[in-house]
Amino acid sequence: AQSVAQPEDQVNVAEGNPLTVKCTYSVSGNPYLFWYVQYPNRGLQFLLKYITGDNLVKGSYGFEAEFNKSQTSFHLKKPSALVSDSALYFCAVSGGDTGRRALTFGSGTRLQVQP
Amino acid sequence: DTGVSQDPRHKITKRGQNVTFRCDPISEHNRLYWYRQTLGQGPEFLTYFQNEAQLEKSRLLSDRFSAERPKGSFSTLEIQRTEQGDSAMYLCASSSNPMRDRAPGQYFGPGTRLTVT
Repeated sequence: AQSVAQPEDQVNVAEGNPLTVKCTYSVSGNPYLFWYVQYPNRGLQFLLKYITGDNLVKGSYGFEAEFNKSQTSFHLKKPSALVSDSALYFCAVSGGDTGRRALTFGSGTRLQVQP
Repeated sequence: DTGVSQDPRHKITKRGQNVTFRCDPISEHNRLYWYRQTLGQGPEFLTYFQNEAQLEKSRLLSDRFSAERPKGSFSTLEIQRTEQGDSAMYLCASSSNPMRDRAPGQYFGPGTRLTVT
């Protein structure tokens, strides 16, 4: 079975500082990994994904994520946080040995960027 | 707007009633997914279609739930004999043909919020 853990319910960071939102996963085989963001009263928006290749993937709005196979992690990062980045962030996994297409999501991390 | 649309956005119903939700995916996408999200949790997979074929159903999808995608375009999700535990946000997502992209991103609609009283 596939699973995702987001160990932090909330992350607080000051505007202009770097941010990291943590994600670890469990899947048999090679994972496909995703990050989504959810703003209030809006749908989930796709940020970035990892399929294969370079461990550092770049996505929308200046976000990037680093895949670490040995630590089974896929942490979301941004060099300089903006107040407008405040939202709920979800990590998700699919793929693996079963080639599963449906996404398994973590429970989410609320990012709060203070001005 | 060429994104995923869902209708209605909100639905309040009494326990025991049937409800039906509609999802219109991005037009060139052949895969369509349904998820359910409760407060404070990530979305949970319910079912997905490739064209009109329903390829996978979660065990969360009890026999009171049924989904269709009759012509491979829009989809409906019906819940019969609703229960208070069905109260949640029901999300629809679509993605392109995985033959062209091994893991295409899923694009989500705004959701239908169901409240069962």
